[in-house]
Amino acid sequence: NAGVTQTPKFQVLKTGQSMTLQCAQDMNHNSMYWYRQDPGMGLRLIYYSASEGTTDKGEVPNGYNVSRLNKREFSLRLESAAPSQTSVYFCASTRPAYSNQPQHFGDGTRLSIL
Amino acid sequence: KNEVEQSPQNLTAQEGEFITINCSYSVGISALHWLQQHPGGGIVSLFMLSSGKKKHGRLIATINIQEKHSSLHITASHPRDSAVYICAHSGGGADGLTFGKGTHLIIQP
Repeated sequence: NAGVTQTPKFQVLKTGQSMTLQCAQDMNHNSMYWYRQDPGMGLRLIYYSASEGTTDKGEVPNGYNVSRLNKREFSLRLESAAPSQTSVYFCASTRPAYSNQPQHFGDGTRLSIL
Repeated sequence: KNEVEQSPQNLTAQEGEFITINCSYSVGISALHWLQQHPGGGIVSLFMLSSGKKKHGRLIATINIQEKHSSLHITASHPRDSAVYICAHSGGGADGLTFGKGTHLIIQP
């Protein structure tokens, strides 16, 4: 039972390069999230998808795009990477929004932008 | 502003000590979450509560909705409890969690 799987685990990019962070969950969860974690800042929400076919901006969406490919997969794309996007990125998922449920997190993607 | 304040930011204690981590928030919430993050590791949900108290093994979480305050207690602390403990809240919809900055706990043998 894999839970939430993120790929890649580590990535180094040059400024201006693009890349897509992949996230997949096998728990039949409806809602999925992308967070970033920076030293001294705590986790912050980038984008979320309440259900398949919907996406919404979180607290820090600038410079990112997302795609909810299907119920299982939610990807995060950096179109033109900037050093300020150096961070650890976590994907999470949870059951339907109408009932409070714990969020399940992936192991994170450590991204460095040079 | 939707803020979550945790205290202390850092805590070092001896094995066996009783540990308390505090969390205060500023808005009405649907549920309060406590999460654990080991160094270099992922994030695991410990508790989710909207009232009263929950216990799991040596961990106890309490919440006072009127005071907008929650505490995480660890009894008989052990070096394997060393981690960052994060408080977060949800508003009841699907719009994600709002997190505190975390409490870095070190339990020395």
